[in-house]
Amino acid sequence: ILNVEQSPQSLHVQEGDSTNFTCSFPSSNFYALHWYRWETAKSPEALFVMTLNGDEKKKGRISATLNTKEGYSYLYIKGSQPEDSATYLCAFHRNQKVTFGTGTKLQVIP
Amino acid sequence: NAGVMQNPRHLVRRRGQEARLRCSPMKGHSHVYWYRQLPEEGLKFMVYLQKENIIDESGMPKERFSAEFPKEGPSILRIQQVVRGDSAAYFCASSPPDGTGYTFGSGTRLTVV
Repeated sequence: ILNVEQSPQSLHVQEGDSTNFTCSFPSSNFYALHWYRWETAKSPEALFVMTLNGDEKKKGRISATLNTKEGYSYLYIKGSQPEDSATYLCAFHRNQKVTFGTGTKLQVIP
Repeated sequence: NAGVMQNPRHLVRRRGQEARLRCSPMKGHSHVYWYRQLPEEGLKFMVYLQKENIIDESGMPKERFSAEFPKEGPSILRIQQVVRGDSAAYFCASSPPDGTGYTFGSGTRLTVV
């Protein structure tokens, strides 16, 4: 059983604040780490696919880093906006199987 | 280039009936994954299929659930004799053979009454 853990489970921030959350995964046999943004009643939207230790990816105000040796990835949101409110899922890809974390639910308060 | 198509979007079944959920992968994608999201839980892997092959079904309940991905046509997740606990959102994702570029469908919300 693969443990993919995300923390915190939920998060409330004020509009304009920057925030970050964590995805922890097994460090052996790493293949790829995916981040998704998931709004209620919609399908998950792919944010990043990260494959190399030390990878840093950026998309607008959202960025992510990857440490495969210690088994974690951080997702950062700079200057949070109400439209950033969603659940952020990470997914660990190994041996042709993808295991999802349970997500971090972000609420940005105007 | 259509994305991953799932149908129906919403499905209501009475206890004991059968539910069939369909997933058409993106063009060029030969791998299909099914996930289930129970209320208040994250996505849980169910099964991974390639054309005409089940690669990993370690997340599938042992009874009443089956999946196929025939040479022609969509992948089908079949739930026989549904029970209330089967009520959930079922998502399908597809990927090309190298496993990158997962794309999700919009999901099928199954309600068992």
